[in-house]
Amino acid sequence: NAGVTQTPKFQVLKTGQSMTLQCAQDMNHEYMSWYRQDPGMGLRLIHYSVGAGITDQGEVPNGYNVSRSTTEDFPLRLLSAAPSQTSVYFCASSRDRAGNEQFFGPGTRLTVL
Amino acid sequence: EDKVVQSPLSLVVHEGDTVTLNCSYEVTNFRSLLWYKQEKKAPTFLFMLTSSGIEKKSGRLSSILDKKELFSILNITATQTGDSAIYLCAFNTGNQFYFGTGTSLTVIP
Repeated sequence: NAGVTQTPKFQVLKTGQSMTLQCAQDMNHEYMSWYRQDPGMGLRLIHYSVGAGITDQGEVPNGYNVSRSTTEDFPLRLLSAAPSQTSVYFCASSRDRAGNEQFFGPGTRLTVL
Repeated sequence: EDKVVQSPLSLVVHEGDTVTLNCSYEVTNFRSLLWYKQEKKAPTFLFMLTSSGIEKKSGRLSSILDKKELFSILNITATQTGDSAIYLCAFNTGNQFYFGTGTSLTVIP
């Protein structure tokens, strides 16, 4: 049981490049989410999904897209990277959207030059 | 606007001390409050609270929620250096989780 996995662990992009951060969970969780964590800002919700085929925006969705074609996978796409997107990104999942415990992936540290 | 405020922002204590971390909130559709511990990596779950006045305990850690006064506290007794971390609280409103900025705890031997 791997839990929540994220790839890559580290990434450096140039302004304007696009990329996809991968997230997968093997716990058959309905709810998945993406957060960014910046110094002094805590964790901020980017997008979330309450099940396959259903996604919605969180607090800070601009510049990011998501899709949820399967229960297991929830990739996050940066459309045109900007220096303001330099951050640590965490994917998380929980059994359902009833506010239960979220399990976090190990994070991706992204730097945009 | 939903909001979570944690205090203090940082705390330095000696081993053996007891600490109390605070989390207050303004949330329009409260479902649950969660506490997490974050060392140099991903947050790990500590407690989930949904009912007012019921204390949750795990070893030296305990937490309680006051839904009338809109706050929660996390207590750590007999602190150890391994308790050094950022402690995050979060509220769930059904579909979304709102996190505070965290309290950074440093425990000195």
